[in-house]
Amino acid sequence: ETGVTQTPRHLVMGMTNKKSLKCEQHLGHNAMYWYKQSAKKPLELMFVYNFKEQTENNSVPSRFSPECPNSSHLFLHLHTLQPEDSALYLCASSQETVLSPLHFGNGTRLTVT
Amino acid sequence: SQQGEEDPQALSIQEGENATMNCSYKTSINNLQWYRQNSGRGLVHLILIRSNEREKHSGRLRVTLDTSKKSSSLLITASRAADTASYFCATVFQGAQKLVFGQGTRLTINP
Repeated sequence: ETGVTQTPRHLVMGMTNKKSLKCEQHLGHNAMYWYKQSAKKPLELMFVYNFKEQTENNSVPSRFSPECPNSSHLFLHLHTLQPEDSALYLCASSQETVLSPLHFGNGTRLTVT
Repeated sequence: SQQGEEDPQALSIQEGENATMNCSYKTSINNLQWYRQNSGRGLVHLILIRSNEREKHSGRLRVTLDTSKKSSSLLITASRAADTASYFCATVFQGAQKLVFGQGTRLTINP
């Protein structure tokens, strides 16, 4: 158990659907992250929250909308996705900023049809 | 691109042998981290080495950092089948607040 829990583990959605990915960390960390992992590409940082405030938006399309209601929970709301958005979406947390090690969840495998 | 680059992209060795993976980067860093990812799972942090450190050990893992050459290596000694995974280096560049990952080395340990 990593201390970072992501749900669902798998998600299939059509391009017109709206869905949300959930991440919860039980480590008392202050920073949370969303990463996208596509085949044959490096991990792409999407969003960073530090003490619930968004500190990084890595030019992510608006069809991805993050929400961080508190330092333990992070959501990624999805709408009007494209097939190229199919990927493994990983949530991570760290004690402070990226100068601390990241603890990852096991990801949500998203397939957009 | 600022990301680290791992070398080789894939490595296949016999159980019991040592595995060495390398990472190169282009600009000055605050720290460099190594992670492991088993298929379909999240990444697991292995070792963090700071820019003023040259070598760190953790069990069968040994990481070196050469800032003059802008490179790092991860050595796994006495490999086991369970070490089969992808290994990523990730760097925090000076002045940045982002951890940038390389594309990884796919390591296969053959029994």
